[in-house]
Amino acid sequence: DQQVKQNSPSLSVQEGRISILNCDYTNSMFDYFLWYKKYPAEGPTFLISISSIKDKNEDGRFTVFLNKSAKHLSLHIVPSQPGDSAVYFCAASEGGGATNKLIFGTGTLLAVQP
Amino acid sequence: DAGVIQSPRHEVTEMGQEVTLRCKPISGHNSLFWYRQTMMRGLELLIYFNNNVPIDDSGMPEDRFSAKMPNASFSTLKIQPSEPRDSAVYFCASSRRSAGETQYFGPGTRLLVL
Repeated sequence: DQQVKQNSPSLSVQEGRISILNCDYTNSMFDYFLWYKKYPAEGPTFLISISSIKDKNEDGRFTVFLNKSAKHLSLHIVPSQPGDSAVYFCAASEGGGATNKLIFGTGTLLAVQP
Repeated sequence: DAGVIQSPRHEVTEMGQEVTLRCKPISGHNSLFWYRQTMMRGLELLIYFNNNVPIDDSGMPEDRFSAKMPNASFSTLKIQPSEPRDSAVYFCASSRRSAGETQYFGPGTRLLVL
Protein backbone atom coordinates (compact mmCIF):
# COMPACT_ATOMS: atom_id res chain seq x y z
CA ASP A 1 0.00 0.00 0.00
CA GLN A 2 1.79 3.09 -1.28
CA GLN A 3 1.08 6.04 1.02
CA VAL A 4 3.14 8.33 -1.22
CA LYS A 5 2.60 8.06 -4.95
CA GLN A 6 4.47 9.49 -7.89
CA ASN A 7 2.37 8.43 -10.83
CA SER A 8 4.71 9.65 -13.55
CA PRO A 9 7.75 7.38 -13.84
CA SER A 10 9.44 9.79 -16.21
CA LEU A 11 9.28 13.32 -17.57
CA SER A 12 11.12 14.97 -20.44
CA VAL A 13 11.49 18.76 -20.63
CA GLN A 14 13.39 21.17 -22.83
CA GLU A 15 16.18 23.24 -21.28
CA GLY A 16 14.89 26.60 -20.08
CA ARG A 17 11.29 25.41 -19.68
CA ILE A 18 9.47 24.59 -16.49
CA SER A 19 9.58 21.07 -15.00
CA ILE A 20 6.64 20.07 -12.83
CA LEU A 21 6.89 16.90 -10.79
CA ASN A 22 3.84 15.66 -8.94
CA CYS A 23 3.25 13.66 -5.79
CA ASP A 24 0.09 12.45 -4.06
CA TYR A 25 -0.29 11.07 -0.55
CA THR A 26 -3.02 9.23 1.29
CA ASN A 27 -2.13 9.64 4.98
CA SER A 28 -3.71 12.79 6.40
CA MET A 29 -1.33 12.61 9.38
CA PHE A 30 1.64 13.55 7.21
CA ASP A 31 2.74 17.08 8.11
CA TYR A 32 6.19 17.42 6.59
CA PHE A 33 7.14 16.83 2.99
CA LEU A 34 10.46 16.69 1.23
CA TRP A 35 11.94 16.30 -2.22
CA TYR A 36 15.18 14.43 -2.80
CA LYS A 37 17.22 14.28 -5.98
CA LYS A 38 19.23 11.23 -6.98
CA TYR A 39 21.94 10.89 -9.62
CA PRO A 40 22.99 7.44 -10.88
CA ALA A 41 25.36 5.56 -8.56
CA GLU A 42 24.85 8.13 -5.79
CA GLY A 43 22.61 8.36 -2.77
CA PRO A 44 19.63 10.71 -2.73
CA THR A 45 20.35 14.28 -1.66
CA PHE A 46 17.91 16.63 0.02
CA LEU A 47 16.51 19.33 -2.23
CA ILE A 48 13.67 21.21 -0.57
CA SER A 49 10.99 20.69 2.07
CA ILE A 50 7.68 22.13 3.20
CA SER A 51 5.70 22.01 6.40
CA SER A 52 1.95 21.49 6.31
CA ILE A 53 1.43 24.95 7.81
CA LYS A 54 2.62 26.42 4.51
CA ASP A 55 1.39 26.04 0.96
CA LYS A 56 4.55 27.16 -0.82
CA ASN A 57 8.27 27.12 -0.25
CA GLU A 58 10.81 28.53 -2.64
CA ASP A 59 14.56 28.05 -2.94
CA GLY A 60 16.14 29.56 -6.01
CA ARG A 61 14.89 27.74 -9.09
CA PHE A 62 12.98 25.21 -6.99
CA THR A 63 9.50 25.74 -5.57
CA VAL A 64 7.35 23.22 -3.77
CA PHE A 65 3.59 23.68 -3.59
CA LEU A 66 1.36 21.87 -1.12
CA ASN A 67 -2.39 21.40 -1.50
CA LYS A 68 -3.53 19.76 1.73
CA SER A 69 -7.15 19.38 0.73
CA ALA A 70 -6.15 17.45 -2.37
CA LYS A 71 -3.28 15.66 -0.58
CA HIS A 72 -1.05 16.73 -3.40
CA LEU A 73 2.31 18.40 -3.72
CA SER A 74 4.38 19.42 -6.67
CA LEU A 75 7.92 20.51 -7.38
CA HIS A 76 8.50 23.23 -9.94
CA ILE A 77 11.92 23.78 -11.47
CA VAL A 78 12.29 27.02 -13.42
CA PRO A 79 14.25 27.29 -15.63
CA SER A 80 15.18 23.64 -16.10
CA GLN A 81 18.84 22.86 -16.79
CA PRO A 82 20.49 19.71 -18.16
CA GLY A 83 22.16 19.21 -14.75
CA ASP A 84 18.71 18.80 -13.24
CA SER A 85 18.37 15.46 -15.03
CA ALA A 86 17.99 12.94 -12.20
CA VAL A 87 15.45 10.87 -10.33
CA TYR A 88 13.31 12.93 -7.98
CA PHE A 89 11.76 11.34 -4.91
CA CYS A 90 8.92 12.79 -2.92
CA ALA A 91 8.84 11.89 0.81
CA ALA A 92 6.51 12.51 3.73
CA SER A 93 6.59 12.17 7.48
CA GLU A 94 4.50 12.67 10.58
CA GLY A 95 5.64 14.61 13.61
CA GLY A 96 6.92 17.68 11.84
CA GLY A 97 10.59 16.74 11.54
CA ALA A 98 12.67 15.28 8.74
CA THR A 99 14.41 12.93 11.11
CA ASN A 100 11.20 11.03 11.73
CA LYS A 101 10.32 8.05 9.62
CA LEU A 102 10.16 9.08 5.97
CA ILE A 103 7.85 7.43 3.47
CA PHE A 104 9.16 7.77 -0.07
CA GLY A 105 7.45 7.58 -3.42
CA THR A 106 8.74 5.49 -6.31
CA GLY A 107 10.49 8.42 -7.99
CA THR A 108 10.21 10.33 -11.27
CA LEU A 109 13.05 10.33 -13.77
CA LEU A 110 13.48 13.86 -15.14
CA ALA A 111 15.36 14.30 -18.40
CA VAL A 112 16.16 17.88 -19.40
CA GLN A 113 17.00 18.06 -23.09
CA PRO A 114 19.58 20.66 -24.20
CA ASP B 1 33.30 15.76 6.50
CA ALA B 2 33.40 12.29 4.93
CA GLY B 3 29.65 11.80 4.67
CA VAL B 4 27.90 8.49 5.19
CA ILE B 5 30.18 5.60 4.24
CA GLN B 6 28.84 2.28 3.00
CA SER B 7 30.65 -0.92 2.13
CA PRO B 8 30.83 -2.81 -0.04
CA ARG B 9 29.64 -0.68 -2.96
CA HIS B 10 28.80 -3.79 -4.99
CA GLU B 11 28.08 -7.32 -3.87
CA VAL B 12 27.37 -10.36 -6.02
CA THR B 13 26.50 -13.54 -4.20
CA GLU B 14 24.72 -16.82 -4.70
CA MET B 15 21.32 -17.68 -3.33
CA GLY B 16 21.57 -19.04 0.19
CA GLN B 17 24.70 -17.16 1.13
CA GLU B 18 24.92 -14.68 3.98
CA VAL B 19 25.33 -11.03 3.04
CA THR B 20 26.49 -8.28 5.40
CA LEU B 21 26.21 -4.61 4.47
CA ARG B 22 28.03 -1.99 6.51
CA CYS B 23 27.43 1.65 7.29
CA LYS B 24 29.35 4.39 9.06
CA PRO B 25 27.14 7.40 9.77
CA ILE B 26 28.26 11.01 9.83
CA SER B 27 30.02 11.83 13.09
CA GLY B 28 27.63 13.50 15.53
CA HIS B 29 24.49 12.08 13.94
CA ASN B 30 22.39 10.00 16.29
CA SER B 31 19.75 8.64 13.94
CA LEU B 32 20.51 5.97 11.36
CA PHE B 33 18.23 4.58 8.66
CA TRP B 34 18.45 1.59 6.30
CA TYR B 35 16.55 1.77 3.00
CA ARG B 36 16.11 -0.52 0.03
CA GLN B 37 15.50 0.80 -3.48
CA THR B 38 13.75 -1.24 -6.15
CA MET B 39 12.07 -0.19 -9.38
CA MET B 40 8.68 -1.42 -8.26
CA ARG B 41 8.60 -0.04 -4.73
CA GLY B 42 11.00 2.89 -4.85
CA LEU B 43 12.78 3.70 -1.58
CA GLU B 44 11.50 1.62 1.31
CA LEU B 45 12.54 2.23 4.91
CA LEU B 46 13.63 -1.07 6.43
CA ILE B 47 14.64 -0.02 9.94
CA TYR B 48 15.86 3.00 11.85
CA PHE B 49 17.81 3.60 15.03
CA ASN B 50 17.90 6.51 17.46
CA ASN B 51 20.94 6.61 19.74
CA ASN B 52 21.85 3.05 18.65
CA VAL B 53 18.42 1.69 19.66
CA PRO B 54 16.13 0.21 16.99
CA ILE B 55 12.94 2.29 16.91
CA ASP B 56 10.95 0.91 14.00
CA ASP B 57 11.74 -2.30 12.13
CA SER B 58 8.32 -2.71 10.56
CA GLY B 59 9.84 -2.41 7.11
CA MET B 60 12.15 -5.39 7.49
CA PRO B 61 10.73 -7.84 4.95
CA GLU B 62 11.16 -11.03 6.93
CA ASP B 63 13.24 -12.84 9.50
CA ARG B 64 16.04 -13.34 7.03
CA PHE B 65 16.87 -9.66 7.52
CA SER B 66 18.51 -8.32 10.66
CA ALA B 67 20.21 -5.05 11.58
CA LYS B 68 22.46 -4.02 14.42
CA MET B 69 24.04 -0.82 15.65
CA PRO B 70 26.62 -1.76 18.27
CA ASN B 71 27.89 1.81 18.61
CA ALA B 72 27.28 5.32 17.31
CA SER B 73 29.67 4.95 14.39
CA PHE B 74 28.76 1.59 12.90
CA SER B 75 25.75 -0.38 11.72
CA THR B 76 25.23 -3.61 9.79
CA LEU B 77 22.37 -5.03 7.76
CA LYS B 78 22.53 -8.79 7.37
CA ILE B 79 20.59 -11.06 5.05
CA GLN B 80 20.76 -14.77 5.82
CA PRO B 81 20.02 -16.69 3.69
CA SER B 82 19.92 -14.39 0.68
CA GLU B 83 17.44 -14.87 -2.18
CA PRO B 84 17.33 -13.47 -5.74
CA ARG B 85 14.40 -11.20 -4.81
CA ASP B 86 16.69 -9.42 -2.33
CA SER B 87 18.60 -7.94 -5.27
CA ALA B 88 18.35 -4.16 -4.91
CA VAL B 89 20.32 -1.09 -3.90
CA TYR B 90 20.56 -0.69 -0.13
CA PHE B 91 21.09 2.77 1.28
CA CYS B 92 22.10 3.91 4.72
CA ALA B 93 21.25 7.43 5.89
CA SER B 94 21.96 9.38 9.04
CA SER B 95 20.76 12.57 10.66
CA ARG B 96 20.75 14.54 13.87
CA ARG B 97 17.61 13.70 15.74
CA SER B 98 16.13 17.17 15.99
CA ALA B 99 13.34 18.98 14.23
CA GLY B 100 14.12 20.13 10.74
CA GLU B 101 17.27 18.07 10.30
CA THR B 102 17.40 16.25 7.01
CA GLN B 103 18.71 12.77 6.32
CA TYR B 104 22.04 12.36 4.55
CA PHE B 105 22.38 9.27 2.38
CA GLY B 106 25.38 7.13 1.64
CA PRO B 107 26.23 6.05 -1.93
CA GLY B 108 24.45 2.70 -1.52
CA THR B 109 25.37 -0.96 -1.90
CA ARG B 110 24.20 -2.63 -5.10
CA LEU B 111 23.37 -6.24 -4.22
CA LEU B 112 22.86 -8.96 -6.80
CA VAL B 113 21.81 -12.40 -5.60
CA LEU B 114 22.14 -15.08 -8.28
